[in-house]
Parts: sequence; structure tokens; C-alpha cells
Amino acid sequence: NAGVTQTPKFQVLKTGQSMTLQCAQDMNHNSMYWYRQDPGMGLRLIYYSASEGTTDKGEVPNGYNVSRLNKREFSLRLESAAPSQTSVYFCASSAGLSANEQFFGPGTRLTVL
Amino acid sequence: KQEVTQIPAALSVPEGENLVLNCSFTDSAIYNLQWFRQDPGKGLTSLLLIQSSQREQTSGRLNASLDKSSGRSTLYIAASQPGDSATYLCAVKVNTGFQKLVFGTGTRLLVSP
Repeated sequence: NAGVTQTPKFQVLKTGQSMTLQCAQDMNHNSMYWYRQDPGMGLRLIYYSASEGTTDKGEVPNGYNVSRLNKREFSLRLESAAPSQTSVYFCASSAGLSANEQFFGPGTRLTVL
Repeated sequence: KQEVTQIPAALSVPEGENLVLNCSFTDSAIYNLQWFRQDPGKGLTSLLLIQSSQREQTSGRLNASLDKSSGRSTLYIAASQPGDSATYLCAVKVNTGFQKLVFGTGTRLLVSP
């Protein structure tokens, strides 16, 4: 089992460019999450998907969109990247929203110039 | 609003020492508290989870305690090893209309041989 995988590992964008971060899990989990990690601020929830076919906003959703493509895959899209979106992005999954444990991917380090 | 604080931000100890990492949170209305380990460039690995009704959990050389009434948790690492060097994050699970994890900013631990 690969667990939670993310692509790409690193990305540099110019302001205004768009890109999609990919996430997949092979644990048959129902719920998936996108977080960003910034220095001195801890991880913050961007969007989550309670189950296939549903998505909801987290704490910091502005500037992002998500797609729950199927049960395995949950993508995060930046339509017009801004320097404030420079961060490390983590995808996570869990059996369900009320499940105790979340499993995290290795992260995508994004720099917006 | 729930806030999670971890002190110290960084800690350096010689191999073999026993050490304590601290986590405090402002609102005692939590479902559980988790301790994670994060290695540089990697995702988060769950170490211990304490339910709100529990006082402590143990796994090998790790022991985590929870005092919900005072808003404190500690992670005790016995006989530290260089391989314990990493950033340790604590997170509490809360319900703010949806269940989410609120993370602290972490303690960076360096164990020297």
C-alpha cells in the first residue's frame, strides 16, 4: 500500500498561473482533506471531502477549488496563483469525518513568484 | 476560537536524555488530541491519539498525557535517540460546524549522538 500520494513534490509558478495538485489514496477511505502549512502558523484546512461526491470549505478556502474525482482522488486547483499561496500543501485521508486518525501524504512545496 | 500552542519551539538534547514536549489548548471542548511526527520534507506520521475521556496513551518509549480541564498535554520521550530528531506536532479535534484538526506550530527536536 502506498498510502496517500501527492504530485508534484515541488512546483514554482509565476503570479497568475494556474495549476492542479493531485492526491490519491489506496486505503479505501471515505474522507479526504487538503491542508497548507506555513511557518509559524501550523497546518490549516483548505477544503475537505466527507465522501465521494461532496466537498466543503475549510478554514482558508479563498483562491482554491477542489474536485473529488472518485473515491481515491482529490485534487486542489489554484486558478490564478498569488505569492500568498506559497506554502507546503498536504493531502490527508481518513475512514470518515468522525474517524480518529488522518493519514498524510508527503506534501507539495509550492513557490509563487 | 481554539488555539494550540507548543513550547518550546526548538529543543536540543544529548542522546539518552528523557525529555518532555508541551502542548496547550485554549478550549477544553475537544474530541481527542493527537501527537504527530514530521521529518524534513515528509508528511505527518501519527504517534499517539488520546480520546477526550482518556488521561494517557503509551507506545514504546513514548507516553502522552492529557489534562483536558487545564488544556494541557505532554509528550514524554524516554531515552532519546538521534533517530527521534524531527518536528513534533500536536493537534486537537474540534467541531466548528464540521470536525477538524487544529494544529500547533510544533517543537523541532534535535538529539545529538
